[in-house]
Amino acid sequence: GAGVSQSPRYKVAKRGQDVALRCDPISGHVSLFWYQQALGQGPEFLTYFQNEAQLDKSGLPSDRFFAERPEGSVSTLKIQRTQQEDSAVYLCASSSTQGFYNSPLHFGNGTRLTVT
Amino acid sequence: GENVEQHPSTLSVQEGDSAVIKCTYSDSASNYFPWYKQELGKRPQLIIDIRSNVGEKKDQRIAVTLNKTAKHFSLHITETQPEDSAVYFCAASMSSGGYQKVTFGTGTKLQVIP
Repeated sequence: GAGVSQSPRYKVAKRGQDVALRCDPISGHVSLFWYQQALGQGPEFLTYFQNEAQLDKSGLPSDRFFAERPEGSVSTLKIQRTQQEDSAVYLCASSSTQGFYNSPLHFGNGTRLTVT
Repeated sequence: GENVEQHPSTLSVQEGDSAVIKCTYSDSASNYFPWYKQELGKRPQLIIDIRSNVGEKKDQRIAVTLNKTAKHFSLHITETQPEDSAVYFCAASMSSGGYQKVTFGTGTKLQVIP
């Protein structure tokens, strides 16, 4: 079956531009996570959706970052007025977790964002 | 919040030797500990996981141990092969507010020398 799909695979943006990153989770997965991975670092949590509800956005670094999942499936991470420090790989992950049971995250290949 | 420390940051072993990666966590509420392997330019992929009600788990050449009292867990790879070369991430997961919160370590770059 299809895994988690992210697009674009690579994005180059000039400083100040807005970008939108897309994530298609595994069909039926309730939980969707966005992570930011800087070079040589582990994934850092950005935000979490349970179906269409954004239950945790505590990891978003600034109000320039916005995420949505309006129909409980596809999610978009938007970054406004990009800055050089936004350069990173943005990973999306989904899981079948519901409630209090922890289950593995299934990651997409990520979007490598480079801000010039 | 949860804090996960991982070491070493880099590890080189000869093919056929064993490799051990260690992680510590801070929050006793964490109860699920997955390990991910990430090859260059690819997605992190789950290789093994362990829950807090288990002390050890094995899957062929890979094993994970968990010491809840000391809040540390380790990944053991035996008979290493060149294709084991990758970055390995540990993670600690807990249920908070009715959903899963996962915190990752900073990664260990494993190089297996043929």
